[in-house]
Formats: sequence, C-alpha cells, structure tokens
Amino acid sequence: SQQGEEDPQALSIQEGENATMNCSYKTSINNLQWYRQNSGRGLVHLILIRSNEREKHSGRLRVTLDTSKKSSSLLITASRAADTASYFCAPRGNSGGSNYKLTFGKGTLLTVNP
Amino acid sequence: SQTIHQWPATLVQPVGSPLSLECTVEGTSNPNLYWYRQAAGRGLQLLFYSVGIGQISSEVPQNLSASRPQDRQFILSSKKLLLSDSGFYLCAWITGTLGGYTFGSGTRLTVV
Repeated sequence: SQQGEEDPQALSIQEGENATMNCSYKTSINNLQWYRQNSGRGLVHLILIRSNEREKHSGRLRVTLDTSKKSSSLLITASRAADTASYFCAPRGNSGGSNYKLTFGKGTLLTVNP
Repeated sequence: SQTIHQWPATLVQPVGSPLSLECTVEGTSNPNLYWYRQAAGRGLQLLFYSVGIGQISSEVPQNLSASRPQDRQFILSSKKLLLSDSGFYLCAWITGTLGGYTFGSGTRLTVV
C-alpha cells in the first residue's frame, strides 16, 4: 500500500470561494480516492478517479489526476460552511489484490468561514 | 441497504483495564474489514485488517488484538489498556477490491 500526502495542511476561505487541495503519491496507481471527515466523525468517500481518467466531476467537486506527476487535486466550488472538514486522498496501488489496504495521510483541514 | 455499525461512540477507561470495540456490517457479504486509529491531529493508522472469518493481519505490533468471529463482525480488543491507546478508532469495510471504503462513525477512547 502507499500513502498520499495532502497539501496544504490547513486552508481557510470565505463562503462562496473555491477551495483547492492537492495530493501527491509515489508509485503507480489503479485509482485515487478522496474522503471527507467532519470533526469527530468517520470518513466519507467522496469520489474515485481511475488511473486512465484525467478529470471527474461530482456536484460541486472536481477532481483531476496527473499520473505523470503523480498528483491529484480536489476542487470544491462555491464553498459552504458545511464543507468545513478534513479531506484525505488515498491512492490505490496496483499490487496487493484482494488484500489491499488503503492508507491515509494527515489530510487537509478546510475551514469555510460564513 | 449497506450499513456499518460501530459502538460505543465514546469510552473512558482506566489504564490497565480491558477493551472490546465491536463493528458489524449489514447488507453485504464477505467484506474486507479494517480497524484504524486516529490520534489527535494525526492521520489514520491502519491497525488490523481481515479478508475472511478468522483471518487477521496486524499492521502495527502493540497490545491490541482483533478477531473476526463472523463474516460481518470485527472486534478490537486489549487485555490491558495503555495511555497511548487513547484515540479515535474507526472501522471500515469494502467489498471487491477497487471501490471506496465505507467507514463507521467511530469510537472515541480516552484512557485515564
């Protein structure tokens, strides 16, 4: 398994602004997943982008993937106070089969101020 | 529908006491099950995972153990808690190999 590294560690914006978070990883992947964690809660799966995809949209979320640079970004448009949470990326490698284990970094703490 | 239950939500235990956290999954069969721990301000640390009944893989040597007595039940245990065992414990599952994980709501454990 491999771990993604999110950047920045913390991000504070005003409601209505866009938020961009970045993720870097080290080896080849099958897919990359983004998760959200509200304070004191479990992680929620947001979106999965496969290695042969370059961009994916889901509502106000836009994820890009650049496998040549081993990086991904998550864009949240028109942010709301409810988007305040920690965001984690999880690269899923090609090896491991059914025994695969996702590992998570420290995440990006996004604060959206009303 | 597929759901995951984790309890208790919060727990305060004295040092040296035993621990048992339970996680159950509904609406799926033969899931891969995972226990993670998150210390304050830190990322998630994978503790154990299981691909089937009675099959447990440990990621981090420590005084915790895990068991899977039934297909959709995963238990995290300790015989004697340490202060360093404090944290937020999360159970997760996945079916198949390439999708997203589903997480439980977590247990906040404070060892005093």
